[in-house]
Amino acid sequence: NAGVMQNPRHLVRRRGQEARLRCSPMKGHSHVYWYRQLPEEGLKFMVYLQKENIIDESGMPKERFSAEFPKEGPSILRIQQVVRGDSAAYFCASSPITNKFSGANVLTFGAGSRLTVL
Amino acid sequence: AQTVTQSQPEMSVQEAETVTLSCTYDTSESDYYLFWYKQPPSRQMILVIRQEAYKQQNATENRFSVNFQKAAKSFSLKISDSQLGDAAMYFCAYRSVGDDKIIFGKGTRLHILP
Repeated sequence: NAGVMQNPRHLVRRRGQEARLRCSPMKGHSHVYWYRQLPEEGLKFMVYLQKENIIDESGMPKERFSAEFPKEGPSILRIQQVVRGDSAAYFCASSPITNKFSGANVLTFGAGSRLTVL
Repeated sequence: AQTVTQSQPEMSVQEAETVTLSCTYDTSESDYYLFWYKQPPSRQMILVIRQEAYKQQNATENRFSVNFQKAAKSFSLKISDSQLGDAAMYFCAYRSVGDDKIIFGKGTRLHILP
Protein backbone atom coordinates (compact mmCIF):
# COMPACT_ATOMS: atom_id res chain seq x y z
CA ASN A 1 0.00 0.00 0.00
CA ALA A 2 1.77 3.07 -1.29
CA GLY A 3 -0.05 5.55 0.91
CA VAL A 4 -1.09 8.98 -0.31
CA MET A 5 1.08 10.00 -3.26
CA GLN A 6 1.63 13.61 -4.12
CA ASN A 7 3.59 15.02 -7.00
CA PRO A 8 5.55 16.96 -7.71
CA ARG A 9 7.36 17.23 -4.36
CA HIS A 10 8.78 20.55 -5.39
CA LEU A 11 7.45 22.96 -7.99
CA VAL A 12 8.89 26.32 -8.99
CA ARG A 13 6.79 28.76 -10.95
CA ARG A 14 7.16 32.36 -12.01
CA ARG A 15 4.47 34.87 -11.21
CA GLY A 16 1.55 34.55 -13.61
CA GLN A 17 2.15 30.89 -14.46
CA GLU A 18 -0.10 28.00 -13.55
CA ALA A 19 0.64 25.37 -10.92
CA ARG A 20 -0.90 21.90 -10.93
CA LEU A 21 -0.52 19.64 -7.93
CA ARG A 22 -1.58 16.02 -8.04
CA CYS A 23 -2.73 13.65 -5.34
CA SER A 24 -3.48 9.95 -5.54
CA PRO A 25 -5.32 8.76 -2.41
CA MET A 26 -4.65 5.56 -0.58
CA LYS A 27 -6.16 2.48 -2.14
CA GLY A 28 -9.75 2.15 -1.00
CA HIS A 29 -10.04 5.80 0.05
CA SER A 30 -12.72 7.77 -1.72
CA HIS A 31 -12.31 11.13 0.01
CA VAL A 32 -9.59 13.66 -0.61
CA TYR A 33 -8.72 16.81 1.30
CA TRP A 34 -6.34 19.61 0.39
CA TYR A 35 -4.57 21.69 3.03
CA ARG A 36 -2.12 24.56 2.71
CA GLN A 37 0.75 25.19 5.11
CA LEU A 38 2.43 28.57 5.11
CA PRO A 39 5.90 28.82 6.70
CA GLU A 40 5.79 28.39 10.49
CA GLU A 41 2.03 27.90 10.40
CA GLY A 42 -0.33 25.01 10.88
CA LEU A 43 -2.25 23.43 8.07
CA LYS A 44 -5.27 25.31 6.80
CA PHE A 45 -8.18 23.45 5.22
CA MET A 46 -8.86 24.31 1.59
CA VAL A 47 -11.23 21.79 0.02
CA TYR A 48 -12.79 18.37 0.49
CA LEU A 49 -13.75 16.19 -2.47
CA GLN A 50 -15.23 12.86 -3.29
CA LYS A 51 -15.03 11.36 -6.76
CA GLU A 52 -16.53 13.88 -9.21
CA ASN A 53 -17.91 15.97 -6.36
CA ILE A 54 -16.74 18.96 -4.35
CA ILE A 55 -18.20 18.54 -0.87
CA ASP A 56 -16.74 21.55 0.92
CA GLU A 57 -14.63 24.29 -0.60
CA SER A 58 -15.05 26.81 2.18
CA GLY A 59 -11.30 27.19 2.60
CA MET A 60 -10.49 27.81 -1.04
CA PRO A 61 -9.68 31.32 -2.22
CA LYS A 62 -12.48 32.51 -4.46
CA GLU A 63 -10.26 33.28 -7.40
CA ARG A 64 -7.46 31.45 -9.21
CA PHE A 65 -7.80 28.22 -7.19
CA SER A 66 -9.74 25.16 -8.27
CA ALA A 67 -9.78 21.48 -7.40
CA GLU A 68 -11.13 18.35 -8.96
CA PHE A 69 -11.23 14.64 -8.27
CA PRO A 70 -12.28 12.91 -11.48
CA LYS A 71 -13.74 9.46 -11.76
CA GLU A 72 -10.41 8.19 -13.03
CA GLY A 73 -7.04 9.54 -12.03
CA PRO A 74 -5.67 11.67 -9.24
CA SER A 75 -7.12 14.72 -7.58
CA ILE A 76 -5.74 17.98 -8.99
CA LEU A 77 -5.29 21.28 -7.20
CA ARG A 78 -4.86 24.01 -9.80
CA ILE A 79 -3.61 27.50 -9.11
CA GLN A 80 -3.81 29.94 -11.99
CA GLN A 81 -1.71 33.09 -12.35
CA VAL A 82 0.35 32.30 -9.27
CA VAL A 83 1.58 35.09 -7.01
CA ARG A 84 4.37 35.09 -4.42
CA GLY A 85 1.83 34.65 -1.63
CA ASP A 86 0.89 31.25 -3.05
CA SER A 87 4.32 29.92 -2.04
CA ALA A 88 3.54 27.22 0.52
CA ALA A 89 3.45 23.50 1.13
CA TYR A 90 0.25 21.92 -0.13
CA PHE A 91 -0.81 18.72 1.57
CA CYS A 92 -3.28 16.17 0.39
CA ALA A 93 -4.96 13.71 2.73
CA SER A 94 -7.37 10.88 2.12
CA SER A 95 -9.81 8.88 4.18
CA PRO A 96 -12.25 6.05 3.61
CA ILE A 97 -15.96 6.73 3.34
CA THR A 98 -16.97 8.79 6.31
CA ASN A 99 -20.13 9.82 8.10
CA LYS A 100 -20.95 11.08 11.51
CA PHE A 101 -21.12 7.54 12.84
CA SER A 102 -17.79 6.43 11.51
CA GLY A 103 -15.86 7.71 14.45
CA ALA A 104 -12.62 9.57 14.39
CA ASN A 105 -11.73 8.58 10.86
CA VAL A 106 -8.10 9.28 10.54
CA LEU A 107 -6.79 11.25 7.63
CA THR A 108 -3.70 9.82 5.98
CA PHE A 109 -1.50 12.60 4.69
CA GLY A 110 0.83 12.70 1.74
CA ALA A 111 4.32 14.16 2.01
CA GLY A 112 3.21 17.46 0.52
CA SER A 113 4.10 19.52 -2.54
CA ARG A 114 6.20 22.62 -1.95
CA LEU A 115 5.34 25.42 -4.34
CA THR A 116 7.80 28.27 -4.75
CA VAL A 117 6.75 31.30 -6.76
CA LEU A 118 9.61 33.46 -8.01
CA ALA B 1 -15.99 29.03 14.69
CA GLN B 2 -13.73 26.53 16.30
CA THR B 3 -10.14 27.48 17.05
CA VAL B 4 -7.10 25.62 18.29
CA THR B 5 -4.35 27.41 20.21
CA GLN B 6 -0.85 26.19 20.93
CA SER B 7 0.83 28.78 23.11
CA GLN B 8 4.35 27.32 23.01
CA PRO B 9 6.05 27.97 19.65
CA GLU B 10 9.15 26.01 20.74
CA MET B 11 10.18 23.68 23.53
CA SER B 12 13.28 21.73 24.43
CA VAL B 13 13.70 18.62 26.53
CA GLN B 14 16.63 16.49 27.54
CA GLU B 15 16.75 13.03 26.02
CA ALA B 16 14.98 10.46 28.28
CA GLU B 17 13.08 13.18 30.12
CA THR B 18 9.36 13.94 30.00
CA VAL B 19 7.83 16.92 28.23
CA THR B 20 4.27 18.26 28.01
CA LEU B 21 2.96 20.24 25.05
CA SER B 22 -0.06 22.45 25.66
CA CYS B 23 -3.16 22.88 23.55
CA THR B 24 -6.44 24.66 24.15
CA TYR B 25 -9.40 24.86 21.85
CA ASP B 26 -12.64 26.71 21.59
CA THR B 27 -15.91 25.13 20.50
CA SER B 28 -19.58 25.18 21.32
CA GLU B 29 -19.94 21.54 20.28
CA SER B 30 -20.25 18.78 22.85
CA ASP B 31 -19.08 15.95 20.64
CA TYR B 32 -15.83 16.11 18.73
CA TYR B 33 -12.42 14.57 18.22
CA LEU B 34 -8.98 15.82 19.14
CA PHE B 35 -5.67 14.81 17.62
CA TRP B 36 -1.96 15.34 17.92
CA TYR B 37 0.01 15.14 14.71
CA LYS B 38 3.78 15.06 14.36
CA GLN B 39 5.61 16.65 11.44
CA PRO B 40 9.30 15.69 11.29
CA PRO B 41 11.76 17.42 8.94
CA SER B 42 10.53 15.16 6.12
CA ARG B 43 7.26 17.17 6.38
CA GLN B 44 5.17 14.00 6.49
CA MET B 45 2.19 14.46 8.82
CA ILE B 46 1.97 11.51 11.21
CA LEU B 47 -0.89 10.88 13.59
CA VAL B 48 0.44 10.48 17.14
CA ILE B 49 -2.71 10.08 19.20
CA ARG B 50 -6.44 10.83 19.11
CA GLN B 51 -9.18 11.34 21.67
CA GLU B 52 -12.95 11.15 21.39
CA ALA B 53 -14.56 13.88 23.48
CA TYR B 54 -17.23 11.56 24.86
CA LYS B 55 -14.56 9.34 26.42
CA GLN B 56 -13.42 10.43 29.84
CA GLN B 57 -10.40 8.17 29.83
CA ASN B 58 -7.26 9.80 28.51
CA ALA B 59 -5.82 8.21 25.38
CA THR B 60 -2.39 6.55 25.57
CA GLU B 61 -0.09 5.26 22.84
CA ASN B 62 3.13 3.82 24.22
CA ARG B 63 5.24 6.80 25.38
CA PHE B 64 2.58 9.32 24.33
CA SER B 65 -0.40 10.21 26.48
CA VAL B 66 -2.85 13.07 26.70
CA ASN B 67 -4.44 15.03 29.52
CA PHE B 68 -7.91 15.82 28.23
CA GLN B 69 -9.81 18.35 30.33
CA LYS B 70 -13.13 18.83 28.58
CA ALA B 71 -14.50 21.55 30.83
CA ALA B 72 -11.32 23.56 30.49
CA LYS B 73 -11.08 22.76 26.75
CA SER B 74 -7.54 21.65 27.21
CA PHE B 75 -5.74 18.79 25.46
CA SER B 76 -2.08 18.49 26.36
CA LEU B 77 0.35 15.88 25.05
CA LYS B 78 2.87 14.21 27.34
CA ILE B 79 5.89 12.49 25.84
CA SER B 80 7.73 10.23 28.27
CA ASP B 81 11.31 9.00 27.88
CA SER B 82 11.94 11.48 25.06
CA GLN B 83 14.00 10.17 22.17
CA LEU B 84 15.98 11.98 19.49
CA GLY B 85 13.46 10.80 16.91
CA ASP B 86 10.73 12.73 18.71
CA ALA B 87 12.20 16.01 17.47
CA ALA B 88 9.55 17.52 15.19
CA MET B 89 6.73 20.04 14.92
CA TYR B 90 3.70 18.89 16.86
CA PHE B 91 0.24 20.03 15.84
CA CYS B 92 -2.88 19.85 17.95
CA ALA B 93 -6.04 19.42 15.88
CA TYR B 94 -9.81 19.38 16.27
CA ARG B 95 -12.66 17.89 14.29
CA SER B 96 -16.39 18.11 14.97
CA VAL B 97 -18.48 14.99 14.66
CA GLY B 98 -20.28 15.18 11.35
CA ASP B 99 -17.75 17.61 9.91
CA ASP B 100 -14.87 16.45 7.82
CA LYS B 101 -12.54 19.40 8.23
CA ILE B 102 -9.71 19.17 10.71
CA ILE B 103 -8.65 22.44 12.30
CA PHE B 104 -4.99 22.68 13.24
CA GLY B 105 -3.12 24.81 15.74
CA LYS B 106 0.05 26.65 14.70
CA GLY B 107 2.31 24.00 16.11
CA THR B 108 5.04 23.58 18.72
CA ARG B 109 8.57 22.81 17.59
CA LEU B 110 10.10 20.25 19.95
CA HIS B 111 13.88 19.97 20.28
CA ILE B 112 15.45 16.95 21.95
CA LEU B 113 18.79 17.67 23.62
CA PRO B 114 21.24 14.76 23.69
